[in-house]
Amino acid sequence: GNSVTQMEGPVTLSEEAFLTINCTYTATGYPSLFWYVQYPGEGLQLLLKATKADDKGSNKGFEATYRKETTSFHLEKGSVQVSDSAVYFCALRPNSGGSNYKLTFGKGTLLTVNP
Amino acid sequence: NAGVTQTPKFQVLKTGQSMTLQCAQDMNHNSMYWYRQDPGMGLRLIYYSASEGTTDKGEVPNGYNVSRLNKREFSLRLESAAPSQTSVYFCAIMNLDRGTTDTQYFGPGTRLTVL
Repeated sequence: GNSVTQMEGPVTLSEEAFLTINCTYTATGYPSLFWYVQYPGEGLQLLLKATKADDKGSNKGFEATYRKETTSFHLEKGSVQVSDSAVYFCALRPNSGGSNYKLTFGKGTLLTVNP
Repeated sequence: NAGVTQTPKFQVLKTGQSMTLQCAQDMNHNSMYWYRQDPGMGLRLIYYSASEGTTDKGEVPNGYNVSRLNKREFSLRLESAAPSQTSVYFCAIMNLDRGTTDTQYFGPGTRLTVL
């Protein structure tokens, strides 16, 4: 079946530090890949996505590149801010088969950025 | 345009009580989902409705029932609540029609405690 594995947190950084949150996946074919962010007390919201190999998703200074050869979609940001403190979820959606209505999520990584 | 709304925001139940969580959307999306979020477990799919008139089990359906009342509304019912159902419940929507994106949009969540 499909699965997503992301690095366990919590991750604690100082403001302006470089961020990487690793995400690898298992799926057949070429799934769509996503990063969602959840701020305290809120629902999840899409941060960025990529739908095919070598695509780079980007938003709000965050980037992730769809690497088919390593089945990875690592999230990066060059300089984090206190306002980036949140839980980050990696997810995939199959693009074929009967389960393409469903997303599979990783367990989430809590990021705390200190001033 | 509220997107996805959920009621109630908070609820405390006693073991054995029943309740229905409501979800409504104004984005005219075809697919609707119910997830639960527990610490260290990420999001787990309870039930989903790919389109009006259909519902299917997700990863953790036991103890729950759903109703897709119309295109806008998707409710989740706990017939006899158990402490193991203490969680945060999220409703989400998605559209897979040709020409649309496959982003899932989430509601703000319902925080349920079962004593």
